[in-house]
Amino acid sequence: KNEVEQSPQNLTAQEGEFITINCSYSVGISALHWLQQHPGGGIVSLFMLSSGKKKHGRLIATINIQEKHSSLHITASHPRDSAVYICAVGISTSGSRLTFGEGTQLTVNP
Amino acid sequence: EAGVTQSPTHLIKTRGQQATLRCSPISGHTSVYWYQQALGLGLQFLLWYDEGEERNRGNFPPRFSGRQFPNYSSELNVNALELEDSALYLCASRAFLEQFFGPGTRLTVL
Repeated sequence: KNEVEQSPQNLTAQEGEFITINCSYSVGISALHWLQQHPGGGIVSLFMLSSGKKKHGRLIATINIQEKHSSLHITASHPRDSAVYICAVGISTSGSRLTFGEGTQLTVNP
Repeated sequence: EAGVTQSPTHLIKTRGQQATLRCSPISGHTSVYWYQQALGLGLQFLLWYDEGEERNRGNFPPRFSGRQFPNYSSELNVNALELEDSALYLCASRAFLEQFFGPGTRLTVL
């Protein structure tokens, strides 16, 4: 079993839809990260969470430490949101090295 | 403030050769992480350097090595290249718990 599980693997939405991507983990973490990767490979860090909820524009990330679960929400989705979204956890016993989920390929159609 | 930089952007080598990849962290960051993203696979942790020392390494053979210089820049060396070493190699530097990614080096082994 992977230490970080993401779902769904693929997600297709229509512009304007509300999107949720889920992440579960099984190890002790120092923080959880949501990353965005566009074609070509560049990675952008969207959020780093150790508790609660964060919001940035149309993106919202939540984490439940007790349940070891996090969600990334995108409100009013847009075609430019199409990318791979990756959940990653910093392993608290290993210098915060990141362990990654498999990623969610999001496609938003106009 | 300049972000994490990596060079070269692309690198083409043949089997058996050696590859050297370079990373410059954000000014003031002393920790550098290397990650590999092979085609069709998720991101995997390779190496962690901090204050000039290798602190942790992932499940990779000794052909993968590196070092960190006094200015905290880092070099990843891959010896005796194999076809399956073809991948995107990402470097990240860390401030507290947050990691900032470079644009990556795409290594192709022919």
